[in-house]
Amino acid sequence: DTGVSQNPRHKITKRGQNVTFRCDPISEHNRLYWYRQTLGQGPEFLTYFQNEAQLEKSRLLSDRFSAERPKGSFSTLEIQRTEQGDSAMYLCASSLGGTGNKIRHEQYFGPGTRLTVT
Amino acid sequence: AQKITQTQPGMFVQEKEAVTLDCTYDTSDQSYGLFWYKQPSSGEMIFLIYQGSYDEQNATEGRYSLNFQKARKSANLVISASQLGDSAMYFCAMRVEETGNQFYFGTGTSLTVIP
Repeated sequence: DTGVSQNPRHKITKRGQNVTFRCDPISEHNRLYWYRQTLGQGPEFLTYFQNEAQLEKSRLLSDRFSAERPKGSFSTLEIQRTEQGDSAMYLCASSLGGTGNKIRHEQYFGPGTRLTVT
Repeated sequence: AQKITQTQPGMFVQEKEAVTLDCTYDTSDQSYGLFWYKQPSSGEMIFLIYQGSYDEQNATEGRYSLNFQKARKSANLVISASQLGDSAMYFCAMRVEETGNQFYFGTGTSLTVIP
């Protein structure tokens, strides 16, 4: 399977605990994105990496959230001191790089990690 | 500000019929891309079709076509010959050059195909 993979698929944690999610993108993709999706909504952008550099962060990404992509391959998203409002599906996506208006930049998504904070 | 609007929370279609899912967008940028994704109950987002703002012809991918009306800022998805497996959430998304690489998603349309 050469698609985007995410682990774990489900995580239940108690409020106040820290959690870490992992994303493995498609191997030749140098761009990696994290999104959050709550019930009845579309995905909301959190952050974006090009290779190992974190280039964009949404205002949704509070200081309790941190993301890394240490070698430009897999990425981790950590949430510290989880709150019930953090309960959501966390989606990772990857895409090829490139510039110019002929580049499609379609993103390929992983299956997501569903976080439940009790 | 960039925005995607999907005004149909739920749609029903008879198997083998065609269905149109609406999407309107708002951006002041001249260079942007429009995407449709399918999200089955399993949760994974599946890329369906892409339309670039400079593309003169409507995009087609198998049973999927995108009715792109630039002046009206609409990018409706047409699914022909609906199948039971098409039942899912469908999201319209936009990528705009001026805001980098993030995607803006609509709230989605739930499609149910009736046998």
